[in-house]
Amino acid sequence: AAGVIQSPRHLIKEKRETATLKCYPIPRHDTVYWYQQGPGQDPQFLISFYEKMQSDKGSIPDRFSAQQFSDYHSELNMSSLELGDSALYFCASNNRGVNEKLFFGSGTQLSVL
Amino acid sequence: DAKTTQPTSMDCAEGRAANLPCNHSTISGNEYVYWYRQIHSQGPQYIIHGLKNNETNEMASLIITEDRKSSTLILPHATLRDTAVYYCIVRVGSNFGNEKLTFGTGTRLTIIP
Repeated sequence: AAGVIQSPRHLIKEKRETATLKCYPIPRHDTVYWYQQGPGQDPQFLISFYEKMQSDKGSIPDRFSAQQFSDYHSELNMSSLELGDSALYFCASNNRGVNEKLFFGSGTQLSVL
Repeated sequence: DAKTTQPTSMDCAEGRAANLPCNHSTISGNEYVYWYRQIHSQGPQYIIHGLKNNETNEMASLIITEDRKSSTLILPHATLRDTAVYYCIVRVGSNFGNEKLTFGTGTRLTIIP
């Protein structure tokens, strides 16, 4: 069965650079969620999109932005990267319209040097 | 959403039942108990959820006390692949719908050969 696909799997950036993380939800899923998990920490909700519109906003820094495109894939854009942005970034998706459970991707490991 | 309390870590022998407790003494009447797990550096995985009746699926059983102030996740025959961090999450809504999850500090379960 198709799963949530995230790319890249690993990303290394330097401070003050920008990064773009991509998420391809499971086909027919209408909602995408982004979570951030720092080293030794629990996942923290960042932002979600439902039918291409922002749905909820969590602890997402102003330096980050995200959107969901017409094909339902989503991108998380991160600017002016800081050392503290080094984390695992998970994307998850579900079909909110039919109350389907959440499926997570394998994550993107971002390292800021 | 109600706060949950879980033990930091637990061990269980392979083949035995793993019983993971969760306290949620401030749970409201319309809040459900959800369990997720995260195997090392992978995306979290949904396990089971319930309101007040005991629930069972192919992965686990969920026992919720009559006063709903605590619950226990049971993995009937633990295997080495069940080693993971288990999160108990209390949130409003029986349907998956909007899955903006608040992960607390889960239980690190280690299955011993």
